Amino acid sequence: QQQVKQSPQSLIVQKGGISIINCAYENTAFDYFPWYQQFPGKGPALLIAIRPDVSEKKEGRFTISFNKSAKQFSLHIMDSQPGDSATYFCAARKNTGFQKLVFGTGTRLLVSP
Amino acid sequence: NAGVTQTPKFQVLKTGQSMTLQCAQDMNHEYMSWYRQDPGMGLRLIHYSVGAGITDQGEVPNGYNVSRSTTEDFPLRLLSAAPSQTSVYFCASSPGGRNTGELFFGEGSRLTVL
Repeated sequence: QQQVKQSPQSLIVQKGGISIINCAYENTAFDYFPWYQQFPGKGPALLIAIRPDVSEKKEGRFTISFNKSAKQFSLHIMDSQPGDSATYFCAARKNTGFQKLVFGTGTRLLVSP
Repeated sequence: NAGVTQTPKFQVLKTGQSMTLQCAQDMNHEYMSWYRQDPGMGLRLIHYSVGAGITDQGEVPNGYNVSRSTTEDFPLRLLSAAPSQTSVYFCASSPGGRNTGELFFGEGSRLTVL
């Protein structure tokens, strides 16, 4: 079963626009919610992360919005650039000793020039 | 710093063959793990290790073996390859403890089983 549901599967945004990717989860034991960015031929790399005691976290053009009651979180990319074209994965971690991340299915973002 | 190094980058196997995917990290990280990435399924945890000599199963462990004899190395063995194991495999490492959940990934090993 998919413990973290991610949408959309793919997204095309014009340069300068806002990219929004959504994720939802069911397990209230999750205590850490990172987003990973993956370029073709490369491994995923941590982009930004949030803990459930915070409703929003911003780093440059990237913002995570977190709604604990709805069990949803989203990634917003402001002023999207062609260099942002990549696959984005949301993830969630159970509060155990090992960082056992559960990943969403990924969103392929294309920012058109 | 090399970070996490995976070899080989590409491999083609026939059904029933065995092979080992190598993973090495030079960050002195306590935790290491193997994920497989398949279209539409994200990344799924195969096996992980919380230190030398300690391994455990992840979400999709069947058909794979691991061992961790040193802090640096965490090889993944395919015992008898099957077409269903065609995938891109990623090794990741992370510091021990609960202060950070950041995983550091290698560049992946693309495996095709015919």
